Amino acid sequence: EAEVAQSPRYKITEKSQAVAFWCDPISGHATLYWYRQILGQGPELLVQFQDESVVDDSQLPKDRFSAERLKGVDSTLKIQPAELGDSAMYLCASSDRASTLGGYTFGSGTRLTVV
Amino acid sequence: GQQLNQSPQSMFIQEGEDVSMNCTSSSIFNTWLWYKQEPGEGPVLLIALYKAGELTSNGRLTAQFGITRKDSFLNISASIPSDVGIYFCAGPTTSGTYKYIFGTGTRLKVLA
Repeated sequence: EAEVAQSPRYKITEKSQAVAFWCDPISGHATLYWYRQILGQGPELLVQFQDESVVDDSQLPKDRFSAERLKGVDSTLKIQPAELGDSAMYLCASSDRASTLGGYTFGSGTRLTVV
Repeated sequence: GQQLNQSPQSMFIQEGEDVSMNCTSSSIFNTWLWYKQEPGEGPVLLIALYKAGELTSNGRLTAQFGITRKDSFLNISASIPSDVGIYFCAGPTTSGTYKYIFGTGTRLKVLA
């Protein structure tokens, strides 16, 4: 069964350091999403890509967060500098255009702890 | 903005009991999704609903799309220990790009 791959699974970093997460969506999926999930809450969208283009980054804290999907396949999400409040699970999801009504497939996430 | 509220926030039940949870919205949705998230994993899609009044089952799970289009319900019959997790509802936003917002979640614990 096709999966969304994310790495690393866990990351501990000191505040003010830079951190990056990687996501490889299901092959052929044009749409890629990064969500942030704070402990005890539901996932919240940070950024949405359609192929290599950002279509929605309205909830991305652009002063410290950046995301790219240069070739329209895999994607990286970067935080620089990390703050204590960034501790959360960062989830990547993907969908093909035809299946968007059926929701999307999530990866296992990267659990970030900022100390 | 759009919000999805889920209740109850958490549930502790005995194995074999039936479970019911719901999700309400401040606005109308034309699609409802139910996801389950296990500890340390990403959410997994359980059921998708596309029409008001629709009732859809997936094994022991049954979900309904409310007639008002502002709510949805998820029932689990004869719960088992592996039903433990957090259940999220999700609905599409009304903004231009197609994406989903998620509810606050219902945490389910099943006691053997």
